[in-house]
Amino acid sequence: KAGVTQTPRYLIKTRGQQVTLSCSPISGHRSVSWYQQTPGQGLQFLFEYFSETQRNKGNFPGRFSGRQFSNSRSEMNVSTLELGDSALYLCASSLFARGGDTQYFGPGTRLTVL
Amino acid sequence: DQQVKQNSPSLSVQEGRISILNCDYTNSMFDYFLWYKKYPAEGPTFLISISSIKDKNEDGRFTVFLNKSAKHLSLHIVPSQPGDSAVYFCAANAGGTSYGKLTFGQGTILTVHP
Repeated sequence: KAGVTQTPRYLIKTRGQQVTLSCSPISGHRSVSWYQQTPGQGLQFLFEYFSETQRNKGNFPGRFSGRQFSNSRSEMNVSTLELGDSALYLCASSLFARGGDTQYFGPGTRLTVL
Repeated sequence: DQQVKQNSPSLSVQEGRISILNCDYTNSMFDYFLWYKKYPAEGPTFLISISSIKDKNEDGRFTVFLNKSAKHLSLHIVPSQPGDSAVYFCAANAGGTSYGKLTFGQGTILTVHP
């Protein structure tokens, strides 16, 4: 079974631009979660989608948004990029994202904001 | 407020010996715990998990122990191999409506010397 895939793997943007990242979950998984990893803050939860609905959201500004499609693929968007948005963005998929449900991570998208 | 803490930033062990990685948590609502292994610029790889109804779970060379009263968990790797060298993260989920949200520790860099 194919793992979680993320595209693109690397992105370079400038301040003020916006960016869209894509995530394809493991076949059959209906939940997709997004995380941001930075050296200072570690791995932090952004949001989770299940059946095209956002069920949970972390403590990030409204510039960070996402959506999920009927095939469970997910995108996240960051508008008005800031230097501090430079990070590794990870998505993870699981069957239902309930207790006891393991999340499997993709390779990540490395975003650099200049 | 860091709810999951890995107090040892690094650990160095000899090949063939035991590696013990520790993790403490403060949120008593956490009921599912996971360990991930991560290489730079890659996504975390799931290793092993444990539910709060158990105090031990084994999978090959990996064993996770959970002490709920102390809010402490540990990962034992026996025997350690050079290929185990990576960053290890513990993560926790609170169940309930905490869909898809894993709270991560800051990670421990494990180095296994041949």
